[in-house]
Amino acid sequence: QKEVEQNSGPLSVPEGAIASLNCTYSDRVSQSFFWYRQYSGKSPELIMSIYSNGDKEDGRFTAQLNKASQYVSLLIRDSQPSDSATYLCAVNSQGAQKLVFGQGTRLTINP
Amino acid sequence: DVKVTQSSRYLVKRTGEKVFLECVQDMDHENMFWYRQDPGLGLRLIYFSYDVKMKEKGDIPEGYSVSREKKERFSLILESASTNQTSMYLCATGRGGGPSDTQYFGPGTRLTVL
Repeated sequence: QKEVEQNSGPLSVPEGAIASLNCTYSDRVSQSFFWYRQYSGKSPELIMSIYSNGDKEDGRFTAQLNKASQYVSLLIRDSQPSDSATYLCAVNSQGAQKLVFGQGTRLTINP
Repeated sequence: DVKVTQSSRYLVKRTGEKVFLECVQDMDHENMFWYRQDPGLGLRLIYFSYDVKMKEKGDIPEGYSVSREKKERFSLILESASTNQTSMYLCATGRGGGPSDTQYFGPGTRLTVL
């Protein structure tokens, strides 16, 4: 079992709709969870971090964490074509400062 | 704003050459990381460093070495480049201090080994 799993997609969402991206992880002691966005040919950029169970909102983005289910998600409201990118889920490994990345979900927002 | 720079955006080398990739950060971050990213395999950690002159192996260290002589600079060395090391190489930095540490990425170096 991979440590961090994401559906590779592609996930296609109409403009203005909610995009929902999901991630599961295997290490029960993980404490920190991150979502990165990566445009084609560019490096990953951090968009959200979450450390406690529940929801965390930042503009059009909401991260959701459920440690009991070992599940973290990212919701993008009012999706825009500029949100089209690959979204990487990252989880800290065994309480250390290393991150383990999922393979990413490719998201396409259709005008 | 965190600024992480990498020495080259694109690099073409021949098999057997020694290759140096350099990463420089200007935010006094303790932690520095080298990853490679390949289609279908995602981001994989090669080496990382928590302090000057300190290094630890990541998940795929074979064929690579690193050097951190100064806090702001972390170099990745391919001792004898091979075609299977053709990849996107990404450097990242982190402030350090615990599991909540965020990593910030440089622009990446796309290396082609012929």
